[in-house]
Amino acid sequence: DAGITQSPRHKVTETGTPVTLRCHQTENHRYMYWYRQDPGHGLRLIHYSYGVKDTDKGEVSDGYSVSRSKTEDFLLTLESATSSQTSVYFCAISSPRSGEGDTQYFGPGTRLTVL
Amino acid sequence: GEDVEQSLFLSVREGDSSVINCTYTDSSSTYLYWYKQEPGAGLQLLTYIFSNMDMKQDQRLTVLLNKKDKHLSLRIADTQTGDSAIYFCGHSGGGADGLTFGKGTHLIIQP
Repeated sequence: DAGITQSPRHKVTETGTPVTLRCHQTENHRYMYWYRQDPGHGLRLIHYSYGVKDTDKGEVSDGYSVSRSKTEDFLLTLESATSSQTSVYFCAISSPRSGEGDTQYFGPGTRLTVL
Repeated sequence: GEDVEQSLFLSVREGDSSVINCTYTDSSSTYLYWYKQEPGAGLQLLTYIFSNMDMKQDQRLTVLLNKKDKHLSLRIADTQTGDSAIYFCGHSGGGADGLTFGKGTHLIIQP
C-alpha cells in the first residue's frame, strides 16, 4: 500500500458532461501517472506528472487534461466525456531510487461509465 | 506488432508450476516488471528485474530474463487458488515517463 486513494471509485455520467477524477497520495512521491485499462488493450498511459505543475502527455492523451497544483493531488479531467472514455482509470506513483528504477505503485482504480 | 506481447490465458493445475511468458521489442528497456491484478482491484507489484540480470528469485516466484531474445518469464512454483489473477508484464527505459504493459495473461487454476 503506497498511500494512494482515488475518488470517486465509481461514476456514471452522460455524454458531453465534464468529469474530474482525483488521485491523492500521502507519501510525497514526485511522479504520478494516469492510465486507463480496457479489455484487449491492457493499460495505456494517458498523462503523467514529474512535479507540481509539470505534466506531460502519454500514449492516449486526446480528450483528457490533467493538473497538479499540489504534490499530493493529481487530477484527470474529461472536458466533454464520450462513450469511448468508458473505462477503468488507474493512478500510479513512483519515486525513482537507485536499484529500483521507476517502479510504480497503483491505486485501486475508478470505474467510469459514459452513457 | 505490439510492443509487449503475452499470451491471453494460461491454465494450470493446483500444485503445479505456472510459467507466464512475455516478449518485448524495446532494446533500451532498463527495468522489467511483473504485476498481478485480482478482480476489481488495482495492479500489485510482484517483482522486477534490472536488465543486467538474468534471474531473480523471490520465494515462489522466479523471473528469467533473456535480453538477447527480449524474453521475460515469470514462474510461480506450487500454484495455489489465490494465484488466480491477471498477470501483466511491463517495462520502462528508466526515464520515469511511464511503463509500457502487455495486455495481461489470465492465470486459471484447475483443482
